[in-house]
Amino acid sequence: AQTVTQSQPEMSVQEAETVTLSCTYDTSENNYYLFWYKQPPSRQMILVIRQEAYKQQNATENRFSVNFQKAAKSFSLKISDSQLGDTAMYFCAFMKPLFGNEKLTFGTGTRLTIIP
Amino acid sequence: DGGITQSPKYLFRKEGQNVTLSCEQNLNHDAMYWYRQDPGQGLRLIYYSQIVNDFQKGDIAEGYSVSREKKESFPLTVTSAQKNPTAFYLCASTAGQGKTGELFFGEGSRLTVL
Repeated sequence: AQTVTQSQPEMSVQEAETVTLSCTYDTSENNYYLFWYKQPPSRQMILVIRQEAYKQQNATENRFSVNFQKAAKSFSLKISDSQLGDTAMYFCAFMKPLFGNEKLTFGTGTRLTIIP
Repeated sequence: DGGITQSPKYLFRKEGQNVTLSCEQNLNHDAMYWYRQDPGQGLRLIYYSQIVNDFQKGDIAEGYSVSREKKESFPLTVTSAQKNPTAFYLCASTAGQGKTGELFFGEGSRLTVL
């Protein structure tokens, strides 16, 4: 079974600074997907960024980027120029692709607070 | 606007009572999921359904039941057999191929057992 570990329960950073959230995972699979999801206070959880394991290039979405180290089984999220709206719980997730049977395994989350 | 609607947002229940949480989606998604969220434990999968009239147990299905009679609806019943039902429950759906792993979530239902 796959496991996902987020070792930072809480983090805080000043507005406009850069912050990196850590995630490690354990799997024997070679082909899989990794995700970062964001859960703002009292709002719906949304997908931030997705990485396919067979792609060597790190995924980027505007101010959000990942550092994917397949051999080390590490998948960190970097938020640049942090904004107050980035305050949220962030969950790292793993998925082994099975046609018609997609299930995600989530980490325990990191609560990020952006300080004005 | 398309999305997932969960109701009620807050629910209180006495011990020994069953309660049903509603989840409706108008995204035309085939797959739907129920997750339980507890502080410090992340999201854990309760049940999921890939097509109408079919569903599978997730990692923590004991004490829960579901049905999938319509594509749009995936209600979750928390039965009296669930020993620790107080939690935040999230419903999600996915479009499947081409959007692999992109779950769309509802706003959640918070259940408190008194």
